Amino acid sequence: IQLTQSPSSLSASVGDRVTITCRASQGISSYLAWYQQKPGKAPKLLIYAASTLQSGVPSRFSGSGSGTDFTLTISSLQPEDFATYYCQQLNEYPPWTFGQGTKVEIK
Amino acid sequence: EVLLLESGGGLIQPGGSLRLSCAASGFTFSGYAMSWVRQAPGKGLEWVSAISGSGGSTYYAGSVKGRFTISRDNSRNTLYLQVTSLRAEDTAVYYCAKLPLVVPSAGYNWFDPWGQGTLVTVSS
Repeated sequence: IQLTQSPSSLSASVGDRVTITCRASQGISSYLAWYQQKPGKAPKLLIYAASTLQSGVPSRFSGSGSGTDFTLTISSLQPEDFATYYCQQLNEYPPWTFGQGTKVEIK
Repeated sequence: EVLLLESGGGLIQPGGSLRLSCAASGFTFSGYAMSWVRQAPGKGLEWVSAISGSGGSTYYAGSVKGRFTISRDNSRNTLYLQVTSLRAEDTAVYYCAKLPLVVPSAGYNWFDPWGQGTLVTVSS
């Protein structure tokens, strides 16, 4: 299963609403996760099952979608949110597959 | 607190071998499947291998099948990745990560948490 994220990068300001899209090459029900990765750090799980927030993740992060189209939304971008975000399909394995990443940069 | 700590990376010549380790703590190690995911410099995430909690089931990416071997020692709470016949394209940070169930299952294949990673550099 191929995952295509868009955009590959974006520039935004603190307080902006940011939306990242992940499209699967075939239907994966709600079996999708989102990760955040900061430079030099390991990825961190934000959301699983498309919309379930991992414990400890701020509520400004939300996920939605099912089938082939999914979104990650940051309702009000904070300075600590500048990072690269990856989606991952949870449906078929092996292989486990990730999107190519979306880099969120400061405008 | 669940902690994963990788070690064993380094500079290795093409064709060489290494054994990566991931020491786990803070949870019942044998109760969870584990995985290795790598990230080449400046690139995205690539899943490499996974293993069930008992070690009885193993899974590999096509790019490493036949060259890498995943294993675990549940008595030592440690995950391993034996990497052989290394190529330049295997250069990456290798992360270990925990899955939420004892065996991989559709819908339950997220990785959380991840270790800090160990860098493998393949170069002559």
